[in-house]
Amino acid sequence: DIQMTQSPSSLSASVGDRVTITCRASQGISNYLAWFQQKPGKAPKSLIYAASSLQSGVPSKFSGSGSGTDFTLTISSLQPEDFATYYCQQYNSYPPTFGPGTKVDIK
Amino acid sequence: QVQLVQSGAEVKKPGASVKVSCKASGYTFTSYGISWVRQAPGQGLEWMGWISAYNGNTNYAQKLQGRVTMTTDTSTSTAYMELRSLRSDDTAVYYCARMVPTLDYYYYYMDVWGKGTTVTVSS
Repeated sequence: DIQMTQSPSSLSASVGDRVTITCRASQGISNYLAWFQQKPGKAPKSLIYAASSLQSGVPSKFSGSGSGTDFTLTISSLQPEDFATYYCQQYNSYPPTFGPGTKVDIK
Repeated sequence: QVQLVQSGAEVKKPGASVKVSCKASGYTFTSYGISWVRQAPGQGLEWMGWISAYNGNTNYAQKLQGRVTMTTDTSTSTAYMELRSLRSDDTAVYYCARMVPTLDYYYYYMDVWGKGTTVTVSS
């Protein structure tokens, strides 16, 4: 199975900050990577697929980049509604695997 | 709009079975797949498997092989996930998610998620 790691595991940031989360795959996955946002007690919400394509309705403050083994999710200007846990997931090969998550909370 | 509506919370005893439903609306059901993902309390996301609503083909996580069955009813646009021989560590929120094919129909990614079904396994 492909192992996904994320860094940092958690971060504290202020409203308006630019935030970057890193995701690394244990082997190359081309650009078959998705990002999800999850708030406490809620279902995950899809943000990005194909490493950099925004899902419909997702604001442009979210952006993704990367290919191969190293990927990033960037939030350009953090807003109160963005405080959540973010997961990456590879769908290059079965089984699809998720990263352990990065919790973004308020400084 | 695209929606996945899941069945309600369940409480089961160890050794029992549970069947969770996921009713789709707002799109052509047979043009996509459905994945099932679970999340134990305080833990991350675990992919359980997926089913093609087009032809019923399935792919299950190895650790659940033999205990899980995923099916669809195209007449009602509903997907089902049955988990048998329940154990305490099956206690989790179970999500269904729509699987979108890439242009070559070889890769699939999740887009819309259901709200989740809490399954509690306790004696």
